[in-house]
Amino acid sequence: AQSVTQLGSHVSVSEGALVLLRCNYSSSVPPYLFWYVQYPNQGLQLLLKYTSAATLVKGINGFEAEFKKSETSFHLTKPSAHMSDAAEYFCAVNDRGSTLGRLYFGRGTQLTVWP
Amino acid sequence: AAGVIQSPRHLIKEKRETATLKCYPIPRHDTVYWYQQGPGQDPQFLISFYEKMQSDKGSIPDRFSAQQFSDYHSELNMSSLELGDSALYFCASSLGGGGDTQYFGPGTRLTVL
Repeated sequence: AQSVTQLGSHVSVSEGALVLLRCNYSSSVPPYLFWYVQYPNQGLQLLLKYTSAATLVKGINGFEAEFKKSETSFHLTKPSAHMSDAAEYFCAVNDRGSTLGRLYFGRGTQLTVWP
Repeated sequence: AAGVIQSPRHLIKEKRETATLKCYPIPRHDTVYWYQQGPGQDPQFLISFYEKMQSDKGSIPDRFSAQQFSDYHSELNMSSLELGDSALYFCASSLGGGGDTQYFGPGTRLTVL
């Protein structure tokens, strides 16, 4: 089974600072990788996904993530944090070799942005 | 663009009661997934359907059942509710199974008293 580790359950940054949310996966075959964002009392919104050879993936709201096979990582970054980025972020994986499609989620990282 | 619709958005039940959650996928999506997110937890996969057939099964209690109908909407039926069933239940849909992107609904918040 796939597994995802998100290092740091809480990350705090100042507005305008770099955002770095870490995600590592365990799989013998590079899976499909996703980042979702969840605002309070709302559903999960897709930020970006990795499904191809392009290792740097750009998503919505200025976020991007880089797939590093050698490190089995898919860290999420944003050059300059905005107050509206405060939310919970989930990294998720899907087994590329499977037709079943279930997502395995990390425990989530709560991002706080200070003014 | 049309999104995944879930109803009801909020549901309060007593222990041992039953509950039915509904999910309407994005038009033309043929695959539906159900996830359960407990307080402060990550979403956990329950069950999925592809073309009206169960395609995968996760950590879904025997007290729960689900199906996908001919119009592709899905219902999650929960019986003999327990306090521990209180959670946010998400439905997601995709076009095809495998690694296709899953689009999530807003969730149904179930509270069992």
